[in-house]
Amino acid sequence: NAGVTQTPKFQVLKTGQSMTLQCAQDMNHNSMYWYRQDPGMGLRLIYYSASEGTTDKGEVPNGYNVSRLNKREFSLRLESAAPSQTSVYFCASRLLAGMSDTQYFGPGTRLTVL
Amino acid sequence: EDQVTQSPEALRLQEGESSSLNCSYTVSGLRGLFWYRQDPGKGPEFLFTLYSAGEEKEKERLKATLTKKESFLHITAPKPEDSATYLCAVQAGNYQLIWGAGTKLIIKP
Repeated sequence: NAGVTQTPKFQVLKTGQSMTLQCAQDMNHNSMYWYRQDPGMGLRLIYYSASEGTTDKGEVPNGYNVSRLNKREFSLRLESAAPSQTSVYFCASRLLAGMSDTQYFGPGTRLTVL
Repeated sequence: EDQVTQSPEALRLQEGESSSLNCSYTVSGLRGLFWYRQDPGKGPEFLFTLYSAGEEKEKERLKATLTKKESFLHITAPKPEDSATYLCAVQAGNYQLIWGAGTKLIIKP
């Protein structure tokens, strides 16, 4: 049982390059999330998907796009990377069952944009 | 505006020295308050969810409590393996969590 997996773990881009961050979960959860984490700040939500086939903007969606490929996979795309997008990106899936509400996080992707 | 503030930013304790971390929040219609632990280079790991004022939950050396304005994470007789960043988040009625910046806890042997 792998939980939430993310690829790649590290990435260096030049300004203007594009890339896709991959995320997959094997827990059959409906909801999935993309966050970024910057020093001294809380996790900030980029996009989320409440269920397969739906996606919605979070707090900081500009410069990003997402695809909920199927129930397992939720990808984040940077079309034209900027230095301000240097960050650690986390994918999470959510279990909501009765009184249990838990997000499970992947190990993160550390992205540097030069 | 919904907001979560954690204090202190960092806390250094000797092994066995008990203390508390604070998470204060302003949110309309709290639906849940969450505590997570994050180790360096890893994703956050779930600890607790609290839903109403007066609620308490415990796990090993950790106890989380909730009032109408803040939550405390009490650490009793901590060990070096308790060293981590502890994150607090609140949910205010949609799918989004609002996260604090975290408290970095260092336990010295």
